[in-house]
Amino acid sequence: EDQVTQSPEALRLQEGESSSLNCSYTVSGLRGLFWYRQDPGKGPEFLFTLYSAGEEKEKERLKATLTKKESFLHITAPKPEDSATYLCAVQALGSGTYKYIFGTGTRLKVLA
Amino acid sequence: DVKVTQSSRYLVKRTGEKVFLECVQDMDHENMFWYRQDPGLGLRLIYFSYDVKMKEKGDIPEGYSVSREKKERFSLILESASTNQTSMYLCASRTGQGVTDTEAFFGQGTRLTVV
Repeated sequence: EDQVTQSPEALRLQEGESSSLNCSYTVSGLRGLFWYRQDPGKGPEFLFTLYSAGEEKEKERLKATLTKKESFLHITAPKPEDSATYLCAVQALGSGTYKYIFGTGTRLKVLA
Repeated sequence: DVKVTQSSRYLVKRTGEKVFLECVQDMDHENMFWYRQDPGLGLRLIYFSYDVKMKEKGDIPEGYSVSREKKERFSLILESASTNQTSMYLCASRTGQGVTDTEAFFGQGTRLTVV
């Protein structure tokens, strides 16, 4: 069964304390892996798409990487405004255009 | 930028009412989705539409229906609202089949409370 697991569930960091969020996935074949940021009471905001193992993408203090079994979202020198829930989703090959499988997210809190 | 707009941020409805949630996207996307999001359960797909008047059931379609009469608009209907449908509802859209551009873009969400 296709599955996405995110860890940790929650993470508290001091401002400037770098860390990584993990997204482990099990799918028959990966079409794409997506990272979203979600602020409380709002819809998810698209961050990155990764398609193949070894691929990396960066945006400001965020860097996403992908292996054959997992993806990491690295946060370098975070600021309080990076506090949010980060969601990971995968789309499997042959799943049809609609099948995104979401993890339950990592709640990140960055303290000033 | 892609814009997906949901008609309401907050709704309070009574048990048994028929509820309409509206979603509009401005990027001429073929595919549109309705999800619900509950703590600890993540996002679960309710219905999906890949073209005007076309729809497919997602993982949890029971108690819901959808309508897509125009390409830009996708409506979610709760036929007879129940308290277990209290949730955050999220609409999303994406372009059609292709090697790239497979990400979905979300609206701001509708927090529905059924009392």
